[in-house]
Amino acid sequence: GQQLNQSPQSMFIQEGEDVSMNCTSSSIFNTWLWYKQEPGEGPVLLIALYKAGELTSNGRLTAQFGITRKDSFLNISASIPSDVGIYFCAGPDPTSGTYKYIFGTGTRLKVLA
Amino acid sequence: EPEVTQTPSHQVTQMGQEVILRCVPISNHLYFYWYRQILGQKVEFLVSFYNNEISEKSEIFDDQFSVERPDGSNFTLKIRSTKLEDSAMYFCASKREHSYEQYFGPGTRLTVT
Repeated sequence: GQQLNQSPQSMFIQEGEDVSMNCTSSSIFNTWLWYKQEPGEGPVLLIALYKAGELTSNGRLTAQFGITRKDSFLNISASIPSDVGIYFCAGPDPTSGTYKYIFGTGTRLKVLA
Repeated sequence: EPEVTQTPSHQVTQMGQEVILRCVPISNHLYFYWYRQILGQKVEFLVSFYNNEISEKSEIFDDQFSVERPDGSNFTLKIRSTKLEDSAMYFCASKREHSYEQYFGPGTRLTVT
């Protein structure tokens, strides 16, 4: 089945640093969603992307829809301790559409104060 | 702000017992989903439900699983005879017609002993 690979798998950063992570697929996606999950909670939608090359921000978070449509990127500027969590990319399965969403492997972020 | 809600937050059951996990999707949403997340792993699609029927299901969603929308607000996942490997977080999600943005509930932690 479809897989979304995220990199890095985990990262420790200092408070105040910028963070970059990415998500890649072997297939073309028409929509990319980025979620954050904190321990014991459900994923929370951060940003949705709909067009190749699109750059969208939500506060200190900026996500980009890769021009190949096979990847997406998430940047967090000036990280703070509450940015800790797992960040997942996701998208509607290219063959099933919005009846099925595929989630990435996740990037676990830990912020050192 | 409308939210997806799930009950119970934690369910402990013995192997072989039936469990029903309940969800109340956001009220004007028409697409409903169940996902599973084994501890520390990625979010896995189980099933989607639209127009009062299953629209897509994964290989995980075998004959032991069923879904129902018994009334205009609830959406349930039943596991007929639980196995140890069913222990996981189960998330319900929903989305509006003509949107790709999927919103998740807080999850039910299922522990099978």
